Amino acid sequence: DAKTTQPTSMDCAEGRAANLPCNHSTISGNEYVYWYRQIHSQGPQYIIHGLKNNETNEMASLIITEDRKSSTLILPHATLRDTAVYYCIVRVAGDTGRRALTFGSGTRLQVQP
Amino acid sequence: GAVVSQHPSWVICKSGTSVKIECRSLDFQATTMFWYRQFPKQSLMLMATSNEGSKATYEQGVEKDKFLINHASLTLSTLTVTSAHPEDSSFYICSARSSGRGSDTQYFGPGTRLTVL
Repeated sequence: DAKTTQPTSMDCAEGRAANLPCNHSTISGNEYVYWYRQIHSQGPQYIIHGLKNNETNEMASLIITEDRKSSTLILPHATLRDTAVYYCIVRVAGDTGRRALTFGSGTRLQVQP
Repeated sequence: GAVVSQHPSWVICKSGTSVKIECRSLDFQATTMFWYRQFPKQSLMLMATSNEGSKATYEQGVEKDKFLINHASLTLSTLTVTSAHPEDSSFYICSARSSGRGSDTQYFGPGTRLTVL
């Protein structure tokens, strides 16, 4: 699976959009970009994933650059409950990708009141 | 969305005893489940991959005789920590793989905090 690079930490004001970047310059054509977050003392929570098109769901938007070498997770209106460690993970999906997700250090997002 | 439960959410036990942790996929079937361990201020580390009806695959450095995994059905996997010692104290998290639409997603349980005295 391709390696990802994320900033160690970020701050965001409550009510503003939180934009979390992720670099994955060695991503392969069949690898998806997944985003998870882990709130303190809880299991990771799935947020969103995508292959090459931008994706949006009730939690967030995922913007993937045209060359697929980087992506941005957008939380449109951050709240204090969004304070967590956010993980960007790249991996092959589908039946050929039965391996587990590998977690790096992630980005610690602190939403400030 | 897909829900994965774990039981118990926390457990305290004496050194030398065994502890069983259950992981259930509540609204989907999971042929593959995973067990992770997380120490304070560290990221999740994969312990083993559990496939329904077959033996688990353990990561390097994880003792299969100490961490017994059973995946007897498509919705239940169990992790038994045998002869637990204080160094086994950790946050244990399971996940279940849900597949569809050409991609797959892992959903995680809330975790079990094990404290061995």
